[in-house]
Amino acid sequence: NAGVMQNPRHLVRRRGQEARLRCSPVKGHSHVYWYRQLPEEGLKFMVYLQKENIIDESGMPKERFSAEFPKEGPSILRIQQVVRGDSAAYFCASSQGQMNTEAFFGQGTRLTVV
Amino acid sequence: QKEVEQDPGPLSVPEGAIVSLNCTYSNSAFQYFMWYRQYSRKGPELLMYTYSSGNKEDGRFTAQVDKSSKYISLFIRDSQPSDSATYLCAMSVRGFGNEKLTFGTGTRLTIIP
Repeated sequence: NAGVMQNPRHLVRRRGQEARLRCSPVKGHSHVYWYRQLPEEGLKFMVYLQKENIIDESGMPKERFSAEFPKEGPSILRIQQVVRGDSAAYFCASSQGQMNTEAFFGQGTRLTVV
Repeated sequence: QKEVEQDPGPLSVPEGAIVSLNCTYSNSAFQYFMWYRQYSRKGPELLMYTYSSGNKEDGRFTAQVDKSSKYISLFIRDSQPSDSATYLCAMSVRGFGNEKLTFGTGTRLTIIP
């Protein structure tokens, strides 16, 4: 049973470049969540998606950040024109979307902006 | 004020000791309370969850929720070096499979052999 797969595990980008983070959910899961973890801080919710729909994006910065979860393929978190403050670990979780079912987390993508 | 407050530690205890980890929260709408364990450079894994107030026990782990005080705890008995990790509390209003979770900052725990 493959868990949540995130890639790349590590990503280095220069300021101003674009970062694309990919998340393949657990097989059969149709709900995906993205969280960001800054050093010495807990996980902060960014966005919750179902297939082809954004359910809750209340944690997403208004500019430069976008997320999608297409009908086919992984969920993508895109950060345009990255800045040093975007350096963090980005975690994806997936669930079946039912109230009392666990959301499984991936291993994260560590983004470093130089 | 953060919605969820958690002492970041670090906390070091000798092997075999009882560990107490705690979080306080301000949002009275939270009904689902979870504890996650996160090893270094890994993703969080769910340890235990509790709905509303009360206690829940699973092996060496006990989770307690006191909604009147807005205070939750995780106790680890007979602590082992393999318990060394960061422990994150998390909460949600309706459930934990279909909405966002609000996390504490995490407590870094080290069990000394």
